[in-house]
Amino acid sequence: QLQLQESGPGLVKPSETLSLTCTVSGGSISSSSYYWGWIRQPPGKGLEWIGSIYYSGSTYYNPSLKSRVTISVDTSKNQFSLKLSSVTAADTAVYYCARHPRYCSSTSCYLPLWFDYWGQGTLVTVSS
Amino acid sequence: EIVLTQSPGTLSLSPGERATLSCRASQSVSSSYLAWYQQKPGQAPRLLIYGASSRATGIPDRFSGSGSGTDFTLTISRLEPEDFAVYYCQQYGSYWTFGQGTKVEIK
Repeated sequence: QLQLQESGPGLVKPSETLSLTCTVSGGSISSSSYYWGWIRQPPGKGLEWIGSIYYSGSTYYNPSLKSRVTISVDTSKNQFSLKLSSVTAADTAVYYCARHPRYCSSTSCYLPLWFDYWGQGTLVTVSS
Repeated sequence: EIVLTQSPGTLSLSPGERATLSCRASQSVSSSYLAWYQQKPGQAPRLLIYGASSRATGIPDRFSGSGSGTDFTLTISRLEPEDFAVYYCQQYGSYWTFGQGTKVEIK
C-alpha cells in the first residue's frame, strides 16, 4: 500500500524559508507513471496546488507562488521536497504531499491528472 | 487560470436524502478533466471521482459525477452518516485548481 509522509518544522519565522520533505513508501518515486505534488490548505479554508515534480526533476509550479517555490526530488531516498522562501503569516497552512498520475499515449505524455494518494498533512505555522 | 465556483456553500440534509453539489468553471474544462474529493475534519482529501464521472477505486456507487464543459455535478444518491463532510472539485485541464468547497452537514 502506497504511503506518503510529510516531515519538517512546524514553526517558521516570517521572512525565512519553509522546508518540507515527503517520504514515499510502498512504491517507487521513479515510476514513469507519476508526478508528485504539494498542496496546501490554510486553516478553515480550501485547497491550493503549489507545485509538482517528476522523478527526472521536471517541475510545474503555481504561477502565483512560482517566484518563491522550489521543489526537488531525491530518488535514492524515495523523497521529494518543498522549499518556500520569504514566508509570511499567509503561508500558515496544512501542507500535503500527494501522488499525481499522468497519462501517456504511444506518442505523447500529457499533463499530470488528479491526486490519488495523499499524505496525512503537516501544519506549518509562520510566526515570530 | 481556471476558477472553479462550487455551490451551495453549505448543504443541510438528513441521512437517506439525495445530495446534489455543483461546480462551475470560469472556462471550459478540456476533456472533462474534473475530479471530486471528500475531506473529513483532520483528514487529507480522498479522491472520489475523476474524468468527471469515473469512480475511484473503492468508492461506493451512491457517488456519481456528471457534466462537461463548464458545469459539473456530484450526486450522492442516499446520504450515509459517513458522507457528511466537505467536498471539493478540481480541474486538471489547465494546471490544477480547486473549488472552494461545499460542506454537507446533518440537518
